Parts: sequence; structure tokens; C-alpha cells
Amino acid sequence: AQKVTQAQTEISVVEKEDVTLDCVYETRDTTYYLFWYKQPPSGELVFLIRRNSFDEQNEISGRYSWNFQKSTSSFNFTITASQVVDSAVYFCALRDDTGGFKTIFGAGTRLFVKA
Amino acid sequence: GAGVSQSPSNKVTEKGKDVELRCDPISGHTALYWYRQRLGQGLEFLIYFQGNSAPDKSGLPSDRFSAERTGESVSTLTIQRTQQEDSAVYLCASSYRTAGTDTQYFGPGTRLTVL
Repeated sequence: AQKVTQAQTEISVVEKEDVTLDCVYETRDTTYYLFWYKQPPSGELVFLIRRNSFDEQNEISGRYSWNFQKSTSSFNFTITASQVVDSAVYFCALRDDTGGFKTIFGAGTRLFVKA
Repeated sequence: GAGVSQSPSNKVTEKGKDVELRCDPISGHTALYWYRQRLGQGLEFLIYFQGNSAPDKSGLPSDRFSAERTGESVSTLTIQRTQQEDSAVYLCASSYRTAGTDTQYFGPGTRLTVL
């Protein structure tokens, strides 16, 4: 069965702090895709990144970085030097061959960045 | 370019009435998804359309929920005899399905309130 766990319900940091959002996934497939989405207060989900299971190279995009570790089934997301505009709910998601076209989302982590 | 659009943005209805929610996917996207997001919760998969294939309806919570899609264009989610527990934001997403990728782009959602 597919499952995505985001154990952190809410995180609160002060601006300029680094913050890591955890994501642990479960799948029996060897081919799968992991995603992160951001949902700001306006409500519209914004795609951040897609990673396939064959590419464990970590990725950095500006202040965002992602650490994919198959050994621990984790796909964590780090924001460096957080800013107030980073305040949002962040969702991790999984799609695999067994689930077909379904994408399973985690419950989300609400990030508050205080000035 | 134009993103996924949804209408109406807000809908208030009385218990027992039927509602129709509309989604216009990104042009050229063959896949379309509907999700439900209850207040403070994650995304719950409802239904998936892919081209002319039979839709995956496995996430629809009851037979009061149905959805249609005309070709690879507009989709309508219909909820009959609405109940208060149907109150949620209904999100639509579309993607350009190619082998191995499925990045979904989300619309702004329709906030449904059932009184």
C-alpha cells in the first residue's frame, strides 16, 4: 500500500532560520515519483519539485533543497534562510505504478515564518 | 499561459440541493483529477480522467458524487443532495501524461459551503 507521512503538523520559525520539512513514504514499487507542493494562504497549490525513484541526487533550487534517501524512504525538504513569504502548508506526495494514476498526498505541514 | 481554472470560486448551498463544479484544465493536458480538501486537512483523491479511458472513480465517497469530462477538456463534478459534510474546497488538477511523469498543476479550487 502507498502511504505518505508528514509527521510535523505545524512548524514555527523566525525569519532567516533554516527549516526542514520531513516526508516519509511507503511503496512496494521500484518505480515511483515523489513531489512537493506549496499551498500558500491564497489556497492554490504550487508545484515545487518532482523526483523519480531512480534519481537519488539531491537538488537545490535557490533557498530550497531536497534530500532524497531511498534507504530511509524519506524525501525531506529544507528551506534555507526562511522568509515570511515561505509561510504556507507544504504537501509531500507519491505516485507509483501500483497506485496507477492516483497521487497520494501527505497530510501537510503548516509552516509559520515570523518576522 | 493560462493555468487550470475552476468555477465558481465559492458556492454556498442549502442541504439537499445539487451543485455542479466546473474545471477547465490546461490546454493539451490529457489527465484531469478532482480532489477534496476539508478544512485543515490534506487532499483526498476523488476521481481521475485520462484521455478516452474509463475514469478511475475509486475515490468518490458516495453515489451522490459523479463527474464527467468531455474529451480532453472541461470537467464537471456534480454533488447531488448535498450534506453538510460535503463542505470543503474542491480542487481540480491537470497534467500532461507522458511515460513516467505526472506533474499535476492545480486550479484555485471551489469552496463549497453546505448550510
